[in-house]
Amino acid sequence: AQRVTQPEKLLSVFKGAPVELKCNYSYSGSPELFWYVQYSRQRLQLLLRHISRESIKGFTADLNKGETSFHLKKPFAQEEDSAMYYCALSGLSGSARQLTFGSGTQLTVLP
Amino acid sequence: NAGVTQTPKFQVLKTGQSMTLQCAQDMNHNSMYWYRQDPGMGLRLIYYSASEGTTDKGEVPNGYNVSRLNKREFSLRLESAAPSQTSVYFCASRVDRMSSYEQYFGPGTRLTVT
Repeated sequence: AQRVTQPEKLLSVFKGAPVELKCNYSYSGSPELFWYVQYSRQRLQLLLRHISRESIKGFTADLNKGETSFHLKKPFAQEEDSAMYYCALSGLSGSARQLTFGSGTQLTVLP
Repeated sequence: NAGVTQTPKFQVLKTGQSMTLQCAQDMNHNSMYWYRQDPGMGLRLIYYSASEGTTDKGEVPNGYNVSRLNKREFSLRLESAAPSQTSVYFCASRVDRMSSYEQYFGPGTRLTVT
């Protein structure tokens, strides 16, 4: 079974402070991991994926297979980063690959 | 491209009423999905369709039916709505590449069952 855990439901930081959103996963195979973001009343959109090792809007995430983690980090948070963030894992479930989402972390960046 | 579209945006139903949520994508994707989003529970997969003519249950299929009308459209039906089905429903479609598993999401339907 595959599982994604985001331990923080709510996270508040001040503008300019570093931010880290935690994500841990459980999966027996080789996972593909994503971070999706949902701004207020908007659709989910892909923020970044581990295979591309890119930085989007200043965010980065490194897959740590030893700790089974995929934490999202940004060195200097901005107010426009306030949103709901979901970590997701793509793995085999039954006969097909599916996305399993964590429960999400609501990030608020305070002025 | 419009991407993934959903109708309606909002709906209020009474317990026992039925309705169909519509989803369409214009990206020529084979796979489509229906999720529900509830506070503190993230997104949970209701049903998915790996290709035209096939559908499979996800994590929370009870109380729902789906229909993959053609490659573009994937509808979700509530035959007898219950207050527990109050949620935001998202449709998604998948990029068909072996090298990646990205999904594209629609804007959501906010459903309230009273």
